[in-house]
Amino acid sequence: QVQLQESGPGLVAPSQTLSLTCTVSGGSTSSSNYFWSWIRQYPGKGLEWIAYIYYNGNTYYNPSLRSRVTISIDTSKNQFSLRVSSVTAADTAVYYCATVRNYDSSGYPFDYWGQGTLVTVSS
Amino acid sequence: QSVLTQPPSVSAAPGQKVTISCSGSSSNIGNNYVSWYQLLPGTAPKLLIYDNNKRPSGIPDRFSASKSGTSATLAITGLQTGDEADYYCGTWDSSLSAGGVFGGGTKLTVL
Repeated sequence: QVQLQESGPGLVAPSQTLSLTCTVSGGSTSSSNYFWSWIRQYPGKGLEWIAYIYYNGNTYYNPSLRSRVTISIDTSKNQFSLRVSSVTAADTAVYYCATVRNYDSSGYPFDYWGQGTLVTVSS
Repeated sequence: QSVLTQPPSVSAAPGQKVTISCSGSSSNIGNNYVSWYQLLPGTAPKLLIYDNNKRPSGIPDRFSASKSGTSATLAITGLQTGDEADYYCGTWDSSLSAGGVFGGGTKLTVL
């Protein structure tokens, strides 16, 4: 079973760049079975899909965040990462990394999730 | 404002049945498969239902779901106190490349 663990600073100053890493165990980021994704949950509890990346480096972004977000993958370390630039208080959220199933499913569900990490944007 | 619409809260007594609705449009639920997720504080969110009505291994058959047109429904029978959590529906907006969309979440209280 795939396990995911987010890591990164819990506090980021406004206008700076938020950087998070997701470490994968029990599965390989080189596998075509999954897309590797980031999702965030606002304090008001709504979920927002941010981006996903495939093992070959193909990336897809939420159009509302595309200009500020970069997702990348390091298959040698079995990790994938997220960068959000020019953050504001509106980026304060719990950030989850998750897999998108690309096998035995027609609907591409978010199969496995990390526990999430709270990132607060504040000076 | 979430793309999919869910009731903010539902409640029922232990042992009873509860349903949670999820409403969307032809560009998302109407043309894609729906998944349901359980979020408990401090734990990794869990996939409960995928492809409209399929349960991953380990999910009890007390959890079931259906889809009709641009709406979907999650049903939980034999409610237990451990079911008290936030539940979210999710799907893709027209296609995988267009991005994922979610409901605003429904807080289930087991009275």
